[in-house]
Amino acid sequence: KAGVTQTPRYLIKTRGQQVTLSCSPISGHRSVSWYQQTPGQGLQFLFEYFSETQRNKGNFPGRFSGRQFSNSRSEMNVSTLELGDSALYLCASSLAGETMSGELFFGEGSRLTVL
Amino acid sequence: GENVEQHPSTLSVQEGDSAVIKCTYSDSASNYFPWYKQELGKRPQLIIDIRSNVGEKKDQRIAVTLNKTAKHFSLHITETQPEDSAVYFCAAFLTGGGNKLTFGTGTQLKVEL
Repeated sequence: KAGVTQTPRYLIKTRGQQVTLSCSPISGHRSVSWYQQTPGQGLQFLFEYFSETQRNKGNFPGRFSGRQFSNSRSEMNVSTLELGDSALYLCASSLAGETMSGELFFGEGSRLTVL
Repeated sequence: GENVEQHPSTLSVQEGDSAVIKCTYSDSASNYFPWYKQELGKRPQLIIDIRSNVGEKKDQRIAVTLNKTAKHFSLHITETQPEDSAVYFCAAFLTGGGNKLTFGTGTQLKVEL
């Protein structure tokens, strides 16, 4: 079974631009979460989608948005990029259902550098 | 919301020694506590987890303990080996709709020969 796939793996943008990152979960997983990883800050929760609905959102500004498609694939978008948005963006899928927690399977991440 | 504190941020041990990483959480309603290991340049992977109805869980050289009253949980690694060197993250899950894990800030474990 294929793992979680994230594209692109690396990208460089300049301030003010916008970026879209993509995540394909493990087949059968309906929950997709996004995390921002920066040195010293650990893994910061961005949002989680389940069956095309955003169920949870972290404490990030509205410039960060996401969506999930009917095939469970997810995208996240960051508009008006700032230098501080430089980070590794990790997507994770889970078999967890409506209320139960479950193991997160992470992708390799998309490393964003904002110049 | 949930808040998870993790200590220490760095930990250096000699091969064969034990390592202990501690986390505290703020929301008493949290009921699931996983630990993830992230090797350099790789993705985080689950190594062990514990649910709130259990006080301790072991898997070979690793174990996790949970003290619900004090709201803290710990990871114990015995007989450490060089391949245990990695960043370890604790996390807490707050039920109530959705899969939102709150992670600690990580512990860089270095096992020295």
